[in-house]
Amino acid sequence: AQSVTQLGSHVSVSEGALVLLRCNYSSSVPPYLFWYVQYPNQGLQLLLKYTSAATLVKGINGFEAEFKKSETSFHLTKPSAHMSDAAEYFCAVSDPSRGSARQLTFGSGTQLTVLP
Amino acid sequence: DSGVTQTPKHLITATGQRVTLRCSPRSGDLSVYWYQQSLDQGLQFLIQYYNGEERAKGNILERFSAQQFPDLHSELNLSSLELGDSALYFCASGRGDTGELFFGEGSRLTVL
Repeated sequence: AQSVTQLGSHVSVSEGALVLLRCNYSSSVPPYLFWYVQYPNQGLQLLLKYTSAATLVKGINGFEAEFKKSETSFHLTKPSAHMSDAAEYFCAVSDPSRGSARQLTFGSGTQLTVLP
Repeated sequence: DSGVTQTPKHLITATGQRVTLRCSPRSGDLSVYWYQQSLDQGLQFLIQYYNGEERAKGNILERFSAQQFPDLHSELNLSSLELGDSALYFCASGRGDTGELFFGEGSRLTVL
């Protein structure tokens, strides 16, 4: 079984500061990993994905994440926070070996607040 | 716009009733997934269909059922509704190659 742990249900940063949202995964096979963002009253939007290519993955809106197998981590970072980054962020894992029966298992989410 | 369409956006009903949520996937996507999002349970996978067939099952209650039709749209049927079924229900679709899913904006169900 796969699982995802997101450390910190709420993170606050000042505008212009570094954003770091933590995600650790558990998987018996090399996983695919994803970060999604959810703005109020909207669905989830894909920020970036890791699918066994480059370990440093760049996504939309200046976000990036690094897959570290030794630490079973996939932390999300952004060098400089913007007010528009305030949202809830979800880390997710899937098992590539399951083929078309693959689904995403989500973490509990991290609410990011950006302070002026 | 993800290309995934869900209706209705909001639904208010009473305990014991039955509702149907509808989802149209992105053009070309064969897989449809249903997720439930609530404050206490977070995002829970309910069920997946692939090209009309049930492919994977998650934490779906027996009172809930789903199907995917030949035109690939899907419906999630929730019956004998309880207060605890109040949640945001998301549909997502994908092609299965890299595993990423594209989510609709959700159907917010309120059971009174």
